[in-house]
Formats: sequence, C-alpha cells, structure tokens
Amino acid sequence: EAGVVQSPRYKIIEKKQPVAFWCNPISGHNTLYWYLQNLGQGPELLIRYENEEAVDDSQLPKDRFSAERLKGVDSTLKIQPAELGDSAVYLCASSSRDRLGELFFGEGSRLTVL
Amino acid sequence: QQQVKQSPQSLIVQKGGISIINCAYENTAFDYFPWYQQFPGKGPALLIAIRPDVSEKKEGRFTISFNKSAKQFSLHIMDSQPGDSATYFCAASKGGTSYGKLTFGQGTILTVHP
Repeated sequence: EAGVVQSPRYKIIEKKQPVAFWCNPISGHNTLYWYLQNLGQGPELLIRYENEEAVDDSQLPKDRFSAERLKGVDSTLKIQPAELGDSAVYLCASSSRDRLGELFFGEGSRLTVL
Repeated sequence: QQQVKQSPQSLIVQKGGISIINCAYENTAFDYFPWYQQFPGKGPALLIAIRPDVSEKKEGRFTISFNKSAKQFSLHIMDSQPGDSATYFCAASKGGTSYGKLTFGQGTILTVHP
C-alpha cells in the first residue's frame, strides 16, 4: 500500500514569490491534514479536511495561505506571497474514519525562503 | 500557549539502557495521547498511544505510563538500540472527531550509543 505522497520534497524561492505543495493521501483515507514543522519543533496543525470540507482551519494564516481538496482526494497548500518566516517543513497526513487517531504522515516538503 | 511540554530536549543512552521521555499537558479535555517517532528527512510515524482509562500500555520494548491526576505521561524504551536513535514527540488531542487534531510537544532527540 502506498503511503502519503508529497511533492516537491524541496523548494527554494525568493521572498514574495508564490509556492504550492501537493499531497496525495492514502487511498480510502477521508481525513487529510496539513501540519507545519519548524526546525527543532513539533508539528503544528494548519488545516484539517473531512473529505472536501475544511473542518478546522483556525491556525491557517488566511492572508497568505490557502488550501483546497478538490474531489476529497489530493490536496494543495499554497503560500502567496512567501515570507522569510515561512521557511519550514510542510507535512501532509491522512487518517481513516475508523482509526482517526492514527495519522500517516508524508515525508514533507521543505521550503526555504531567501 | 504551550499545551504539551516535553522533556528532556535531548537524551543520550547506552545500548541496552532504558530511555525515558516525559510530557505534561494542561488541557483536561485531552483524551488521546500518542507518541510519534521521526527519523531525519522523514515524517513522524505513530509509535504507541494511550487513552486515559488505563495507566499503562506496553507494546514490545515501548511502554507508556499515564498519570491522569498529575496530567503527565511518559515513554519508556527498554533495551534501547542504536536503531532507536530518532526524535520522539508526545502529542495529545480531544476525543470524538478531533482525535487527529494533535497538539505536539517540542520533541526529544534520542541518541543510543552502541
């Protein structure tokens, strides 16, 4: 069974440029999460989807961040414009309806903003 | 607000020794307490989890001890091996549909010397 797939793995951009990250969850997992992990810190939830509905986006900085999960499968997280402080690893995770507490994380997308 | 505090930040143990990592939480509504293991360049992976209706859970060499009155829980790794060298995160979440909305601790970097 394929795990959570994220791309790109690494991205280097200049500040004020836009960037997008893509996530394909485990097949059949209806819940999808985007977490932010700063260097040396634990992940922090940005947004949680139940199918295509964003049910928890209180931690998403909506002035520059946006996310979508069309058709309730894969998802895209966008930052526009990026700031220096956005340099971090963006983790995507998914879980199944019958095991909500078991999150399967992807390897993450590491963003460096210069 | 740091709702889950983890200690120590780093830990060095000899092969065969016991590794102990501690966490304390503030929110009494938390109902689910997992531990995640993360290797460099990888996403976190669920190691073991506990709910507050039990005081201890053991899976192989890994044991969670839970003290509800003190709002503390800990991870014990018995017979620690060099392959256990990784960053460990405790986490907590509320029950129901919020199991996956995890609040993570800051992480503990474990090094097991051969």
